[in-house]
Amino acid sequence: AQKVTQAQTEISVVEKEDVTLDCVYETRDTTYYLFWYKQPPSGELVFLIRRNSFDEQNEISGRYSWNFQKSTSSFNFTITASQVVDSAVYFCALSEATGRRALTFGSGTRLQVQP
Amino acid sequence: DAGVIQSPRHEVTEMGQEVTLRCKPISGHNSLFWYRQTMMRGLELLIYFNNNVPIDDSGMPEDRFSAKMPNASFSTLKIQPSEPRDSAVYFCASRTTGIFSEAFFGQGTRLTVV
Repeated sequence: AQKVTQAQTEISVVEKEDVTLDCVYETRDTTYYLFWYKQPPSGELVFLIRRNSFDEQNEISGRYSWNFQKSTSSFNFTITASQVVDSAVYFCALSEATGRRALTFGSGTRLQVQP
Repeated sequence: DAGVIQSPRHEVTEMGQEVTLRCKPISGHNSLFWYRQTMMRGLELLIYFNNNVPIDDSGMPEDRFSAKMPNASFSTLKIQPSEPRDSAVYFCASRTTGIFSEAFFGQGTRLTVV
């Protein structure tokens, strides 16, 4: 069975600090996909990034970066120089290529960026 | 494209009433998902369809919940009879069947059962 764990329930930082959100997953599939979504206070779920299990290259997009390590089953998300607008709940999700194709979400990490 | 469209955005109903939530997926997407979000249980998958056929409904809480997808552009989630513990935000999402595709979510329906 697949499972996604986000151990950090809530993180509070001051603007301009860097912050890393942790995500650990479990799956029996050899081919799977990992995602991060953002849920701002307005409530919608916004897609941020996807990564397949064969691509362990880290990715950077502006202030966002993602570190995928298959050896530790982790897909962590770092925000550099955080801003108040980054305040949201962030979800990590997993879908399997051959098993359950629907996204299984972690419990989310609430990030509060204080001015 | 307008994205995934859900209606209504908010619904307040009395316990015992029937509730129907509606979803229009993105055109060309052939997988559709219904999720429920609560503080206690987070985001949980209720059911998903592939090419209008239900593939996995193991997340449907009980027989009071039913979902249909009569065509590629419309799906409903019905609760009958509704109970206060059904109060939650219900999201619909769609994706292509490409194995590397993300799901796009609607704005959600906030359901309150009093």
